[in-house]
Amino acid sequence: QSVLTQPPSASGTPGQGVAISCSGSSSNIGINTVNWYQQLPGAAPKLLIYSNTHRPSGVPDRFSGSRSGTSVSLAISGLQSEDEADYYCAVWDESLDGLVFGGGTKLTVL
Amino acid sequence: QLQLQESGPGLVRPSETLTLTCTVSGGSIASTTYYWGWIRQPPGKGLEWIGSIYYSGTAYYNPSLKSRVTISVDTSKNQFSLKLSSVTAADTALYYCARRVRAFDIEAREVGYFDLWGRGTLGFVFS
Repeated sequence: QSVLTQPPSASGTPGQGVAISCSGSSSNIGINTVNWYQQLPGAAPKLLIYSNTHRPSGVPDRFSGSRSGTSVSLAISGLQSEDEADYYCAVWDESLDGLVFGGGTKLTVL
Repeated sequence: QLQLQESGPGLVRPSETLTLTCTVSGGSIASTTYYWGWIRQPPGKGLEWIGSIYYSGTAYYNPSLKSRVTISVDTSKNQFSLKLSSVTAADTALYYCARRVRAFDIEAREVGYFDLWGRGTLGFVFS
């Protein structure tokens, strides 16, 4: 059981938008910045969003991150079939004194 | 283009020690900008941070694994290694090495992120 809660699944049709949530607490998301990773089938994770809202070079602006209190959200607009992947949030937890990952959300593009 | 490559015996028996090495190519491991970390993923499950190390040798471990984990660095070989002792079937996983940007906010809290990952290597515990 992760200290970060993500929905196990999400779905949308091509062209639609979808949001994936990640809920934490005052010892992690409430005080530290969150990163999002995308893991395509059979591949290593890839950095998607860092410091809550920043996109690394090469990540399309269809992907965006936001934070509100002890929760963060990853929004994907204009869904494409190649967005079908697992998505993980991650943050440093001050109480645990370690890095924690959310349980992951499997995104299906219908 | 910096790359990371995991290597090591993929099969270990219960109670033995799993040893993996990550070789960094295309750049120096002795950088003040980065940590170097290990993350694992059991089959069909999510990601778990194992620990990270700075080129000076300072290491940070997942509290749940700390008693069994040692991460070390060899700057002369541009490598860092993972030793996980007393393994059980629960330690069977895909083990990734990754580069972590070393960043802190104005209150000295850790705000880094893994920006480059290896392809992963399977660590399988069998009896």
